Amino acid sequence: KNEVEQSPQNLTAQEGEFITINCSYSVGISALHWLQQHPGGGIVSLFMLSSGKKKHGRLIATINIQEKHSSLHITASHPRDSAVYICAVGRISTDKLIFGTGTRLQVFP
Amino acid sequence: KAGVTQTPRYLIKTRGQQVTLSCSPISGHRSVSWYQQTPGQGLQFLFEYFSETQRNKGNFPGRFSGRQFSNSRSEMNVSTLELGDSALYLCASRSGTGAYGYTFGSGTRLTVV
Repeated sequence: KNEVEQSPQNLTAQEGEFITINCSYSVGISALHWLQQHPGGGIVSLFMLSSGKKKHGRLIATINIQEKHSSLHITASHPRDSAVYICAVGRISTDKLIFGTGTRLQVFP
Repeated sequence: KAGVTQTPRYLIKTRGQQVTLSCSPISGHRSVSWYQQTPGQGLQFLFEYFSETQRNKGNFPGRFSGRQFSNSRSEMNVSTLELGDSALYLCASRSGTGAYGYTFGSGTRLTVV
C-alpha cells in the first residue's frame, strides 16, 4: 500500500462546478503539500499545511491530522484549473517528500 | 525575485554517457532537493542538500549523485545512463528544513536514446 493515496485519479468537470480531491497518508508528517502541475512539467506549490484550513482565492485546503486526511477544494472551477494536482507529505522521521500519484483534472467550458 | 532556475530545459543523451544538471535556488534558500518524475513511477525523491551537505538520499543507485556549492547552487550527475533514466528531473529549494514550503523549478527533461 502506498504511503500517500490520492483520489480520484481522474476528474472531469463542467466550468463552475465545485471540485474535491482527497489525500490520505499513513506516516507521521511534518507538513502536507498540495502541488499543481501543468502540461510542460513545472510544479507550483499551492499550499503547505500542518493543521486546520487554508484558503487562497478559489482554492481551499484542509487537513485532519488525527484522521491523516487532507482535501483540496476548488470552488467555481474554470478551464484554466485543468492540471494534475499532487499531494505530498514531508515524512517527519526523514524529512523526505513522499508523493501521491496525482489527480488529473479537466474542466470543460 | 527570481525563481528556481534549472538548466538545461531539454537534453538528449546516448546510453552509457553521463549528464550533469544544474539548479540555482531562490536567493537565500539553503536547501535544494532533487526529484525524478516518470510516467510509471511518478515523482520520487532523489536527494536533498542543505548548506553543502547531503542530508537525505532516496532509493536510487550510486550512478545518481549530486553536490551543492557554497552559493547554494546544486548539480546532479547521472553516470552510465540507461534508457530508464529518461525522465523529468525537478529541483526545489526552500529556506529551511522541516515544515518549510518548496519552490520548484521548471525541470530538465532528459531523454536517453
